[in-house]
Amino acid sequence: GIQVEQSPPDLILQEGANSTLRCNFSDSVNNLQWFHQNPWGQLINLFYIPSGTKQNGRLSATTVATERYSLLYISSSQTTDSGVYFCAVGRDKLVFGAGTILRVKS
Amino acid sequence: GAGVSQSPRYKVTKRGQDVTLRCDPISSHATLYWYQQALGQGPEFLTYFNYEAQPDKSGLPSDRFSAERPEGSISTLTIQRTEQRDSAMYRCASSLGGTGRETQYFGPGTRLLVL
Repeated sequence: GIQVEQSPPDLILQEGANSTLRCNFSDSVNNLQWFHQNPWGQLINLFYIPSGTKQNGRLSATTVATERYSLLYISSSQTTDSGVYFCAVGRDKLVFGAGTILRVKS
Repeated sequence: GAGVSQSPRYKVTKRGQDVTLRCDPISSHATLYWYQQALGQGPEFLTYFNYEAQPDKSGLPSDRFSAERPEGSISTLTIQRTEQRDSAMYRCASSLGGTGRETQYFGPGTRLLVL
């Protein structure tokens, strides 16, 4: 099956710093989503991005499907950005990576 | 409804009991997915429905797990003779079509604890 690797596994940032999270996957896919799991366990959609670049406020994402990776950029981080960021890929069902645990300190 | 809803939000049960979890997808969404998320891990696929049809049950861990969606809307996931290893967050998601090329929207999950 499809393998998904996320890096780094965990990250500590000072408020206001920028960061880049990476997702590598092993096969061609037609769905790639980034999620934020907040400290209350909610899984929040950030982007549906099987290819190309999208931006939403301080967040942006780029997927290079031909090279099988995606990047999530967080700029001017805030404490509310803390939580776990998951990349999930697939053709129908989603295969999730292990996540990046992000902690933003004030 | 406006979003995916799940009930109950929390369930504590004793080993050996049966439990049934419910998912109400976004109105008009054809496809519904069930995922299991162990503590500290990402969600893992269990099964999905396209309307009433259940094309893929490959993620169900054992025959104690079953799911149905009899009218193509609300779905239930039943775990018979629960075991402690079944303790997890159970997440439901829905998407508009059945191509796999759409956003999956997740509900708040049901946290199951088997004592």
